[in-house]
Amino acid sequence: QQQVKQSPQSLIVQKGGIPIINCAYENTAFDYFPWYQQFPGKGPALLIAIRPDVSEKKEGRFTISFNKSAKQFSLHIMDSQPGDSATYFCAASIGRGSTLGRLYFGRGTQLTVWP
Amino acid sequence: EAQVTQNPRYLITVTGKKLTVTCSQNMNHEYMSWYRQDPGLGLRQIYYSMNVEVTDKGDVPEGYKVSRKEKRNFPLILESPSPNQTSLYFCASSPGTGGISYEQYFGPGTRLTVT
Repeated sequence: QQQVKQSPQSLIVQKGGIPIINCAYENTAFDYFPWYQQFPGKGPALLIAIRPDVSEKKEGRFTISFNKSAKQFSLHIMDSQPGDSATYFCAASIGRGSTLGRLYFGRGTQLTVWP
Repeated sequence: EAQVTQNPRYLITVTGKKLTVTCSQNMNHEYMSWYRQDPGLGLRQIYYSMNVEVTDKGDVPEGYKVSRKEKRNFPLILESPSPNQTSLYFCASSPGTGGISYEQYFGPGTRLTVT
């Protein structure tokens, strides 16, 4: 059973557009929701993360919106640029003490931003 | 330079021949983890280790073993590789304590082909 469901599988936007990637989960024990960005031939890199006690978090052009009651969270990329073209993964984890626990990833969204 | 290193980066082997993929981090991180990435399936966690004393199964541990005898190293062992273990493998580490305790740093990946 897939713990984190991510959509869409692929997304194409024009430069300046606002792509939105959505994720849904079932386990209400999850307490950490990161987004990772991966370029071809590279390992994923943490982009932004949120805890369930806040509804929104912004870092630069990247925003996470979190809806605890709906068990959904999404990534918005403002003023998207061709350099944002990458694969994006959402994930969820149940922390164990002060450290990460088991981590569940969505299946990824391949984003293409046309110039 | 702070980094996670994996060796080898590419490996072609035959069914049943035991192999080890090494992972080392120089950031004094407590948490280390192994993932496999397959097209359409995203990243799936194989094993994770919260510290030298604690190792636990992830989503897909079958056919893999790990060992965490010292903080910096976390090798992945395939005792009897099979073709369905052909995949791209990533090692990652995370501080485990402090304000950014959950941020994971990924290695460059190991592409394994089992024939």
